[in-house]
Amino acid sequence: ETGVTQSPTHLIKTRGQQVTLRCSSQSGHNTVSWYQQALGQGPQFIFQYYREEENGRGNFPPRFSGLQFPNYSSELNVNALELDDSALYLCASSLTGTGEMDSPLHFGNGTRLTVT
Amino acid sequence: AQSVTQLDSHVSVSEGTPVLLRCNYSSSYSPSLFWYVQHPNKGLQLLLKYTSAATLVKGINGFEAEFKKSETSFHLTKPSAHMSDAAEYFCVVSDYRSWGNTGKLIFGQGTTLQVKP
Repeated sequence: ETGVTQSPTHLIKTRGQQVTLRCSSQSGHNTVSWYQQALGQGPQFIFQYYREEENGRGNFPPRFSGLQFPNYSSELNVNALELDDSALYLCASSLTGTGEMDSPLHFGNGTRLTVT
Repeated sequence: AQSVTQLDSHVSVSEGTPVLLRCNYSSSYSPSLFWYVQHPNKGLQLLLKYTSAATLVKGINGFEAEFKKSETSFHLTKPSAHMSDAAEYFCVVSDYRSWGNTGKLIFGQGTTLQVKP
């Protein structure tokens, strides 16, 4: 079984630019969640996608948006980048709808975004 | 609302000695608790999870954690540390609302485990 893969691994952008991060979910998983991990902090929930729709959102502004595709892969888009957006962005996949509400999340290795 | 507090930001042990990483939780519901580990420049790996079955939970790599409702604690332990255990450890609780599990995880701030030779 293939794990969660994220691309790119590293990215440098300038303030005000836009960025797209990509995630392929683990084989058999239908739900994707995105987390932001600032340096020295625990990950913070951005949002979750299930059946190609947003299914929960954390305290992030609308310039953070996402997509989920029919193959369950996902994108995270961030517009008007700010310096504070510099962080490790983690994607996690899981299986929803089996009755196992606490299906553990499987994380990718993340994308390190630096905004200058 | 749910939350977790990791009581130590940094723990240092010698190789071969026991490991104790402390975590307290707060939850309005019967919590689902997890410990994740993050090695440098890597994603998060699940060590173990508690979901109201046995209170002593065994995980991978010799780690275990005990759920103590009276103390609202979920401390992570290992009898003998190995150099490869050096990493960041996160205590995590599932987010619940009155209608059920939101699917969101709430992370603690993390504990850095240093293992000295």
